[in-house]
Amino acid sequence: GIQVEQSPPDLILQEGANSTLRCNFSDSVNNLQWFHQNPWGQLINLFYIPSGTKQNGRLSATTVATERYSLLYISSSQTTDSGVYFCAVEASNTGKLIFGQGTTLQVKP
Amino acid sequence: SAVISQKPSRDICQRGTSLTIQCQVDSQVTMMFWYRQQPGQSLTLIATANQGSEATYESGFVIDKFPISRPNLTFSTLTVSNMSPEDSSIYLCSVLHGGRQYFGPGTRLTVT
Repeated sequence: GIQVEQSPPDLILQEGANSTLRCNFSDSVNNLQWFHQNPWGQLINLFYIPSGTKQNGRLSATTVATERYSLLYISSSQTTDSGVYFCAVEASNTGKLIFGQGTTLQVKP
Repeated sequence: SAVISQKPSRDICQRGTSLTIQCQVDSQVTMMFWYRQQPGQSLTLIATANQGSEATYESGFVIDKFPISRPNLTFSTLTVSNMSPEDSSIYLCSVLHGGRQYFGPGTRLTVT
């Protein structure tokens, strides 16, 4: 099956810093999504981005499907950005998501 | 987007017992899923809850252990049967809506 690898596994930032999270996947996908899991466990859908670039406030994401990777950019980080960021892919039109292991982000004030 | 609620939000159960988790969506959706997140781990798909037919289980998960019901397009239940401490996890339901997947708040289960 498809393998999803995220890097780095852990990241500590000072408030105001920028960061880039990476997601590599091993095969063609028709759906890629980024999620943020806050410290209370709630998963928030950040982006649906099978290809191209999207921006939402301080967050943006780029997926290069032909090279099988996606990047999540966080600018001017805030303490509320802390949590775990997951990349998940769907290989076929089943709705089933395969999750990476996540990047744990801690933003210090 | 879709708004999803789950009950209970958390529970502590004794080994050998069963717990049924409910998932309610605020709109009709075709595709509904159940995931498990073990402590410190990522999410793993348990099954797809199919309306009007049996759930479709992923490798490593069986109906006897995780029976699922989907009586209509807004509701599903997952039962964790004959629990052991290894079943201690967060259980999340999710729906596919407009190409994006939305998750409920999760049920934190601790088995003692």
